[in-house]
Amino acid sequence: DTAVSQTPKYLVTQMGNDKSIKCEQNLGHDTMYWYKQDSKKFLKIMFSYNNKELIINETVPNRFSPKSPDKAHLNLHINSLELGDSAVYFCASSLQSGTSGSYEQYFGPGTRLTVT
Amino acid sequence: KNEVEQSPQNLTAQEGEFITINCSYSVGISALHWLQQHPGGGIVSLFMLSSGKKKHGRLIATINIQEKHSSLHITASHPRDSAVYICAVNAGNQFYFGTGTSLTVIP
Repeated sequence: DTAVSQTPKYLVTQMGNDKSIKCEQNLGHDTMYWYKQDSKKFLKIMFSYNNKELIINETVPNRFSPKSPDKAHLNLHINSLELGDSAVYFCASSLQSGTSGSYEQYFGPGTRLTVT
Repeated sequence: KNEVEQSPQNLTAQEGEFITINCSYSVGISALHWLQQHPGGGIVSLFMLSSGKKKHGRLIATINIQEKHSSLHITASHPRDSAVYICAVNAGNQFYFGTGTSLTVIP
């Protein structure tokens, strides 16, 4: 059983398009995250979300938006894709995060996005 | 300057060697994480620390809160330990990552 799954694994699209990456966790966790790993392999948090609060990294363009239909899912929508959005995007989950405490995170396999 | 600094950036070791990777941070934290990223790209959480020391198999992680420093040790290293090791910290609602240490263990 996959704990944190992402779809698709690979996504190739043209500039200007709108795309979504889906994430699902079956661990019963309260908090989910989206991370971006650039070409230099540097990880950066984009969002953390639980049913109480959405924490946005202020450097993330508002073309990126997380959508959570329920506690087990956090999808990433990207509008008007740009070349610089090409990266690997990782979803993760944990029991809780932020001011309520810190817990181990479980990562999805990643989605490699290529914008042409 | 990055909030989290790791050293070394790259490390090559012979099988069986004792390995140390260091992490220093400049912000107040609630927890520090050590992550392992395999050559295939998957990320696994190895440890989460807020104080002291943790051990899991051949891996040991320590943290000194006063000095804002953590170390990850691998005893009796093996080629399957070859991966990128990433230090990350929770600072309030923010996460900061180091740039990673690429470890290659040669048979």
